[in-house]
Amino acid sequence: DQQVKQNSPSLSVQEGRISILNCDYTNSMFDYFLWYKKYPAEGPTFLISISSIKDKNEDGRFTVFLNKSAKHLSLHIVPSQPGDSAVYFCAASGDGQNFVFGPGTRLSVLP
Amino acid sequence: GAGVSQSPSNKVTEKGKDVELRCDPISGHTALYWYRQRLGQGLEFLIYFQGNSAPDKSGLPSDRFSAERTGESVSTLTIQRTQQEDSAVYLCASSLGGIRTPLHFGNGTRLTVT
Repeated sequence: DQQVKQNSPSLSVQEGRISILNCDYTNSMFDYFLWYKKYPAEGPTFLISISSIKDKNEDGRFTVFLNKSAKHLSLHIVPSQPGDSAVYFCAASGDGQNFVFGPGTRLSVLP
Repeated sequence: GAGVSQSPSNKVTEKGKDVELRCDPISGHTALYWYRQRLGQGLEFLIYFQGNSAPDKSGLPSDRFSAERTGESVSTLTIQRTQQEDSAVYLCASSLGGIRTPLHFGNGTRLTVT
C-alpha cells in the first residue's frame, strides 16, 4: 500500500518552460514534505521542503505547493534547464523523523 | 564539509555469501538511515538510528538483514546468506536528528548477487 504516490513515471519538458512534478499521499498524519533530485550513480540530493502550516515554499527556480485538503503537492521548476534532468522523489513524514518516499518521476529537459 | 560516505561503491557477491556495507555519516548528525532501491523502484526504508535510542528496524525485510551503529558514528549493514533478490543500491542517509530536518544521502553501494 503506497502511502506516497508519484503517478507519472516520466515527464519531458522543453528547456525554458515550466516543469510540474506531482505527488499524492494518503496518510493524513503527514505534515512535512520534501523533494529530492537524483542523478544516476549518485545519492538523492535534498531540494526543498514544506511544512503543513504553509501552502507554498519557494527557493530560486524551485517552488513547492501543498494542498492539504487534496493530499497533493507539486514541485514547479521555472525555467527548466537541461541540468535539471534527473529522477525526482517526493517524501513525506508524520513525525519529522521517519520518511516515506514515492517511486520517483524521471524528468527530461530537452534543449 | 564532507558528506555521507559509503563503501564499497560496488559489491558483487555469490549467492549465499555474507556482505557488509559501511556508512560514515556527516559529522554531528545524530540520525542515520538505511534505504534500499531496487532497479526501477523507489526508496525502501530499512532501518533508522537516532542517538542512543533503540533503532527502528521495522523496514528490515528478513532476519538475514542486520545493522549496527557505534554511538553517533559509523554504521554497518550486514546481509547474511545473500539472495539474488537482495541485489539493489543500498543508500545511507544522515540528518541532524531534530524534527523536520532533511536527510542527506551518500552515493550508495550497488550490490549484485550472482
